[in-house]
Amino acid sequence: AQKITQTQPGMFVQEKEAVTLDCTYDTSDPSYGLFWYKQPSSGEMIFLIYQGSYDQQNATEGRYSLNFQKARKSANLVISASQLGDSAMYFCAMREGNSGYSTLTFGKGTMLLVSP
Amino acid sequence: NAGVTQTPKFRVLKTGQSMTLLCAQDMNHEYMYWYRQDPGMGLRLIHYSVGEGTTAKGEVPDGYNVSRLKKQNFLLGLESAAPSQTSVYFCASLGQPNYGYTFGSGTRLTVV
Repeated sequence: AQKITQTQPGMFVQEKEAVTLDCTYDTSDPSYGLFWYKQPSSGEMIFLIYQGSYDQQNATEGRYSLNFQKARKSANLVISASQLGDSAMYFCAMREGNSGYSTLTFGKGTMLLVSP
Repeated sequence: NAGVTQTPKFRVLKTGQSMTLLCAQDMNHEYMYWYRQDPGMGLRLIHYSVGEGTTAKGEVPDGYNVSRLKKQNFLLGLESAAPSQTSVYFCASLGQPNYGYTFGSGTRLTVV
């Protein structure tokens, strides 16, 4: 079974609208972390946001927020007020455990296109 | 600038040739990782290292070897390249906070 599932291969949104990118995960480890990365066409991996499994509040970083629903095992990324520069591939990732021995597992990604 | 540097950025190999990809970090990070990215597959872990002199296998280790003789360097070797190893390779390191992964800019490798 896949540990990280991103069911949306592609998403379209108009500039200034909000968009939600879905991510579900599968783990039996009570300690885990969830990550979102952005990969623009230039290819670099840009860290966006992190949510620990014990964090009480949903993580937020500027226009990015993570809608963490632990019981449903979902960690959706919400981008508010989309900008043209948000067009990119977005990856959800999980780390089971809490150290460098615990490695990142990535989903297959969602391509987001923002139109004017 | 501090960060993770990968060399080379691009390379074309013939089937059967060997090469080494270098990952260097100047942040004194203990943990380093090699991933490959293929279309529609996300990033998959090849090998990783939890400190100088240590290495461990990831999800897709076959056909690759690694070495971490110095803390700042993590080398990925292909002894006999195959077309299936055509991919983009990313190196990453982990420091503090413990979610602070830093990725290199990637190496695009084509095996013909």
